[in-house]
Amino acid sequence: DGGITQSPKYLFRKEGQNVTLSCEQNLNHDAMYWYRQDPGQGLRLIYYSQIVNDFQKGDIAEGYSVSREKKESFPLTVTSAQKNPTAFYLCASSMTSKETQYFGPGTRLLVL
Amino acid sequence: GEDVEQSLFLSVREGDSSVINCTYTDSSSTYLYWYKQEPGAGLQLLTYIFSNMDMKQDQRLTVLLNKKDKHLSLRIADTQTGDSAIYFCAESGYTGRRALTFGSGTRLQVQP
Repeated sequence: DGGITQSPKYLFRKEGQNVTLSCEQNLNHDAMYWYRQDPGQGLRLIYYSQIVNDFQKGDIAEGYSVSREKKESFPLTVTSAQKNPTAFYLCASSMTSKETQYFGPGTRLLVL
Repeated sequence: GEDVEQSLFLSVREGDSSVINCTYTDSSSTYLYWYKQEPGAGLQLLTYIFSNMDMKQDQRLTVLLNKKDKHLSLRIADTQTGDSAIYFCAESGYTGRRALTFGSGTRLQVQP
């Protein structure tokens, strides 16, 4: 099956800890994105990557980092610098940055 | 900057039509999208419309675009309880824009 997978479904972070959220796609898409969703709000862009080994900051990149070493994978690290990380994180991909985006099932991050 | 606005809540009875409205500010939008989100899940692409179109119909879904007023609507005919979800409007700008701008979502509640 082609699609986008995110893991884990739920993730717990302790104070001062870095955690990494996984996003994988087998759609052969060049572009990938990370969004954050807070209750009652729309999605806000954290980082995006238009091609392997390249990525750009979105609107709320502070406290987050990414890498794009493989076309299929775009992991997001939530660092200890992100003071309010509790949210639902959604990964998306598109053939190119101008094409329709398709979303993964999301990871809910909670702080202990 | 770009902005997308939606009403927060809509309640309809099963079998009625639902109309979800959206306004946007970016006059260079090329595509406008409707996504559906069920509880705890990612976003599912419902439909999209290119900015040079006025209307698009896809089974029970009808999208109307008034480019002059920057107004987009999604009509769901014969609304079912399975249509209960949050519906997001999103727009993509002209060349150089790299991601979608989302509204805050409209929660559709379908009463039996």
